Amino acid sequence: GQNIDQPTEMTATEGAIVQINCTYQTSGFNGLFWYQQHAGEAPTFLSYNVLDGLEEKGRFSSFLSRSKGYSYLLLKELQMKDSASYLCAQVGGNYQLIWGAGTKLIIKP
Amino acid sequence: NAGVTQTPKFRVLKTGQSMTLLCAQDMNHEYMYWYRQDPGMGLRLIHYSVGEGTTAKGEVPDGYNVSRLKKQNFLLGLESAAPSQTSVYFCASSTGDVTGELFFGEGSRLTVL
Repeated sequence: GQNIDQPTEMTATEGAIVQINCTYQTSGFNGLFWYQQHAGEAPTFLSYNVLDGLEEKGRFSSFLSRSKGYSYLLLKELQMKDSASYLCAQVGGNYQLIWGAGTKLIIKP
Repeated sequence: NAGVTQTPKFRVLKTGQSMTLLCAQDMNHEYMYWYRQDPGMGLRLIHYSVGEGTTAKGEVPDGYNVSRLKKQNFLLGLESAAPSQTSVYFCASSTGDVTGELFFGEGSRLTVL
């Protein structure tokens, strides 16, 4: 089966920059999503990448390298409210989403 | 501006009991999904629907049934609950466009004793 790998937990400091990595299997790739999920809440959409490169959206940017099966989410000027889990999801060959287990990001003052 | 609404938000069941989770969306989306989320695991698709009157199995369909009698509603049923079905259940909807985001409900926390 296809696997999505991302770190289980990361810690960063308020005001800093953090990069959350996600690797996936390159066969049957049709795009990659990032979602944010605060504890006890629903996931909410952050970004979608299907072409190589960096897409910036305010303090958040998402990068994709299709040849390497690699994506990252870059969060700048971290705020306490950015403490959440970040979910990586690949659109697979059958156009179904394959979800990673999520990266819990802890922001410290 | 309700979006996707799930009921109930919390439920405790005894093994063998049955229940139904209701999902309603007001965005006129064609596609609807039921996921479960367990600690340390990614969201897993239980069943989904690509339009009114249609349903299809996802990754983990056993022990669950669904119905989509109306476009705006997607029901998830547990006929005989088991402790392994203790989880947080999320309903989601989308336009069906592969680039389109999923809109999630707030989740339903189910505990089976």
